[in-house]
Amino acid sequence: AQSVTQLDSQVPVFEEAPVELRCNYSSSVSVYLFWYVQYPNQGLQLLLKYLSGSTLVESINGFEAEFNKSQTSFHLRKPSVHISDTAEYFCAVSGGSSGNTPLVFGKGTRLSVIA
Amino acid sequence: EAGVAQSPRYKIIEKRQSVAFWCNPISGHATLYWYQQILGQGPKLLIQFQNNGVVDDSQLPKDRFSAERLKGVDSTLKIQPAKLEDSAVYLCASSFGTNYEQYFGPGTRLTVT
Repeated sequence: AQSVTQLDSQVPVFEEAPVELRCNYSSSVSVYLFWYVQYPNQGLQLLLKYLSGSTLVESINGFEAEFNKSQTSFHLRKPSVHISDTAEYFCAVSGGSSGNTPLVFGKGTRLSVIA
Repeated sequence: EAGVAQSPRYKIIEKRQSVAFWCNPISGHATLYWYQQILGQGPKLLIQFQNNGVVDDSQLPKDRFSAERLKGVDSTLKIQPAKLEDSAVYLCASSFGTNYEQYFGPGTRLTVT
């Protein structure tokens, strides 16, 4: 069985400052890792994913995450945040091999960017 | 490409009443998921369909929840009778093939009073 721990429930940060949202997972099988973002009153949107290959993955809006197998982590980072990044961020893991395995989510981290 | 559609967006009912949610996945997506997201928590899988067959319903409270996916396209999730603890956002997602990416609808926010 897989599980995900997001260590911070809320992260306030000033605009243009760097941010790191932490995610640790546990799994007995090979994992695939995801970060989803949820803006107010909207559904979840995929931000980035790690399936294989390079352990550093990037999104189109400046976020990046690094898969660290030894530390079982997949932390999300952005060097300079914008007001529009204010949202809830969910880390998720999928442990199946079929590509259609359900996701197991963490409890989420609410990122608040302060002007 | 149209996204995953869900209706209604909001629903308020009294406990012991029944309610139904509808989901239309992205065209061509064979796999459909229903997740429950309670306030302050991450989404939790309720049921997964592959075409019109159930793949995983181990976390579905079958005494009150039911779901179907007729013809392998649209899906309906029903709660009967509802309890206060069923207040949550119900998210529908779909996926295609083996790319591991799930596409989520906007969700239905259910409030049980």
